[in-house]
Amino acid sequence: AQSVTQPDIHITVSEGASLELRCNYSYGATPYLFWYVQSPGQGLQLLLKYFSGDTLVQGIKGFEAEFKRSQSSFNLRKPSVHWSDAAEYFCAVGETQGAQKLVFGQGTRLTINP
Amino acid sequence: DGGITQSPKYLFRKEGQNVTLSCEQNLNHDAMYWYRQDPGQGLRLIYYSQIVNDFQKGDIAEGYSVSREKKESFPLTVTSAQKNPTAFYLCASSIFPGNTEAFFGQGTRLTVV
Repeated sequence: AQSVTQPDIHITVSEGASLELRCNYSYGATPYLFWYVQSPGQGLQLLLKYFSGDTLVQGIKGFEAEFKRSQSSFNLRKPSVHWSDAAEYFCAVGETQGAQKLVFGQGTRLTINP
Repeated sequence: DGGITQSPKYLFRKEGQNVTLSCEQNLNHDAMYWYRQDPGQGLRLIYYSQIVNDFQKGDIAEGYSVSREKKESFPLTVTSAQKNPTAFYLCASSIFPGNTEAFFGQGTRLTVV
């Protein structure tokens, strides 16, 4: 069965430091991959998506992610975090066969130290 | 403005009562989804619908019911059979199922008192 794993439940980084959030997926066909961000008590906002083509994708708010098929990974990165980046981040895979639905990881909560 | 509207934002229910959460979208999307969010558990899929008059159970459908009589509406009923209904509920839609980004509502926080 398809699945998405975010190994880090909680990450703390200092403001201005670089960030990498990990995401691994298990899906037999070509995956459609997404990263979303959620502020407390709010809905989810799309940061970026990968469907095909260049494996390094750029998103909003200075985020980028790299698709590595050999590692079944889609890690999210930012060179320098800002206090406003504190939120919860979700990786998701879109199934294109069978049930055709979105499957989410458990999320990574990001805390920023001043 | 196009988007997804969930109502109400906060909802309180007494044990043993059914309650319906509203989800409306004016994005002309075919697919709609309901997720439940609990602390530390991410988003778990309750029901999804790929087209009007059709819907499928997700991973945690027990104690919930839905309908999809109109393209723009996908209400979720939390029945008294749901053993632990207190949670944050998120509705989403996408142009097509699976291979396009989902747009989310602002969520409904349901508390059973």
